[in-house]
Formats: sequence, C-alpha cells, structure tokens
Amino acid sequence: DAGITQSPRHKVTETGTPVTLRCHQTENHRYMYWYRQDPGHGLRLIHYSYGVKDTDKGEVSDGYSVSRSKTEDFLLTLESATSSQTSVYFCAISEGGLGGKGSPLHFGNGTRLTVT
Amino acid sequence: LAKTTQPISMDSYEGQEVNITCSHNNIATNDYITWYQQFPSQGPRFIIQGYKTKVTNEVASLFIPADRKSSTLSLPRVSLSDTAVYYCLVVSGKLIFGQGTTLQVKP
Repeated sequence: DAGITQSPRHKVTETGTPVTLRCHQTENHRYMYWYRQDPGHGLRLIHYSYGVKDTDKGEVSDGYSVSRSKTEDFLLTLESATSSQTSVYFCAISEGGLGGKGSPLHFGNGTRLTVT
Repeated sequence: LAKTTQPISMDSYEGQEVNITCSHNNIATNDYITWYQQFPSQGPRFIIQGYKTKVTNEVASLFIPADRKSSTLSLPRVSLSDTAVYYCLVVSGKLIFGQGTTLQVKP
C-alpha cells in the first residue's frame, strides 16, 4: 500500500471552530488531493496540489483552504467549521498528472469529521 | 467534462463472473479509464486502468470498445470478499468520481 497517513482519524468539533486535517505521504509523489465522501454524493474533490505551494480548487472548495509547504505534507483547513462539513475526508496522491495515463490515485484511510 | 454513469447496485453469487459497465459519453481523446474498489471505512483502492481494447491484471479485466463511450469491469469468479463499492473514473479535468456501484456477493 502507498505510504499515506491521515491525521487525525476521527475528530469531533463545534460549529465555528477552525479545523486542520493533515495528509502525509512517503512516496515523494508530486500530486496530492483532498476529497470528501458523503452518502448520496460519492467522492467529491475539494482541492488538489500539483507541487509545493501549487494548489487548485476542486468542485466543492467553498469553506476550505489548503497548503503544501513540503512535498510530503498537504493540509486541509476548515476556517470555521459548519455542520454541512461533517463528512469523511480522504487524501489521495498520484505520481503523474491528475491520476491518469498510468498514474492512478492512491488513497489514505480517511478522517471522519463530525461538526456539532 | 466527462461524466460517468454506473448502475447503483448489483447482486451476484460466489463463483460467478461479474461485469459492471460504466458509460462515459463525453470522454476526451487523451482520457484514461480507471476503476477503484472501496470497502467500508477504507479509502478507494486502484484496481485497473485502460485506454482502449482490453486490459487484464491479476484481479480483473477491463474492456473498452472502439468508441470508448463505455467500459466494462469484469471480475472473474467473485467471492464474498469482493462485496464492495466499485467506482469508474474518467480522468478529465478535475477527477470527478461517479456514484459508484455497490456489488453484493451472496453465498
């Protein structure tokens, strides 16, 4: 399995508080992604990174920010958590561009976030 | 932007071959088709990827017709442990997953 560690694995927080989720990889892959997974919506891309300090928005980026100061770490921040952000968050990595052309995505085991 | 459509659910029995079809009418010339498997409380796991015709690995085969508007994941002789959600992903733009197909394998 690809070396991807997400932390924390579970978190409960209150509405309005800031939350940061961390993804750490040991594969030295260039691309990193944050997805959220909700019943009835499948997996939706929040943000992705194509290099250190290089990031772009996905389809559901509102309310989220990301940072990547090192190749191995990709942080997802909820500046002011809301109940609609209760979800399971997955980090993924790929060696090449956007998971295609021989560069499939490899996922972590997720962070379950509950906003009360 | 390519959008994928899969059946929501399928049932099968142990030992049978299972075929899951995904339609992707707007696939672009350079897009690859990738399939993932997801068990509860785990992240999706890469199964197989292809561009055209047929690809086979140790766990599955992927059939892609010439027009590439659909693809079929074939799982030979499924077992109970193959019960999972299967996602078809066409890499186009922002890597949007479809809803996935829940496969239930019965004894």
